[in-house]
Amino acid sequence: AQSVTQLDSQVPVFEEAPVELRCNYSSSVSVYLFWYVQYPNQGLQLLLKYLSGSTLVKGINGFEAEFNKSQTSFHLRKPSVHISDTAEYFCAVREADSGAGSYQLTFGKGTKLSVIP
Amino acid sequence: KAGVTQTPRYLIKTRGQQVTLSCSPISGHRSVSWYQQTPGQGLQFLFEYFSETQRNKGNFPGRFSGRQFSNSRSEMNVSTLELGDSALYLCASSLVTGSKGTEAFFGQGTRLTVV
Repeated sequence: AQSVTQLDSQVPVFEEAPVELRCNYSSSVSVYLFWYVQYPNQGLQLLLKYLSGSTLVKGINGFEAEFNKSQTSFHLRKPSVHISDTAEYFCAVREADSGAGSYQLTFGKGTKLSVIP
Repeated sequence: KAGVTQTPRYLIKTRGQQVTLSCSPISGHRSVSWYQQTPGQGLQFLFEYFSETQRNKGNFPGRFSGRQFSNSRSEMNVSTLELGDSALYLCASSLVTGSKGTEAFFGQGTRLTVV
């Protein structure tokens, strides 16, 4: 079984400032890692994913994340946020090479990012 | 290319009733998963279907059930509704190609309110 911890439930940040949203996971098997964004009254949109290879992954809207296996972390960063980045962000894991091919995702509790003008 | 379509978007039901939610995956996607999202519990996995077979199930009571049709469309049913079933129900579809790490695409959800 896997678990995901998002260390901050709310993060306020001024417009054009950098931001980091933290995510730690626990798993006894190899996992794939994802960050999703949810705008009010909407579903989830994938920002980026880590499957293998380079530990720094770039996603949409200028976001990037770094996979750190030793620290079991997958923190999301953006060098300069915009008002439109105000949303809730979810970190998720999925068992890698699950054989039967289950696509079950385990999510963190989410981090609400508020960009202050 | 059409995304994942969930209907209806909003529902209000009374305790004790039952409800059926529908999900049409992206064309060609054969895996459909359902999640419940509440402020207290966050996003929790309900079940996953692939080729009309339930492949995985989360820790929910038997009142929650689902099925998948031959065209990959899926429905979930909740019987004997309780106030605690009020939530946003999200459906996700995935393209099963045999390659690793295929992402899940989410619909906009069905907001169920039980009164």
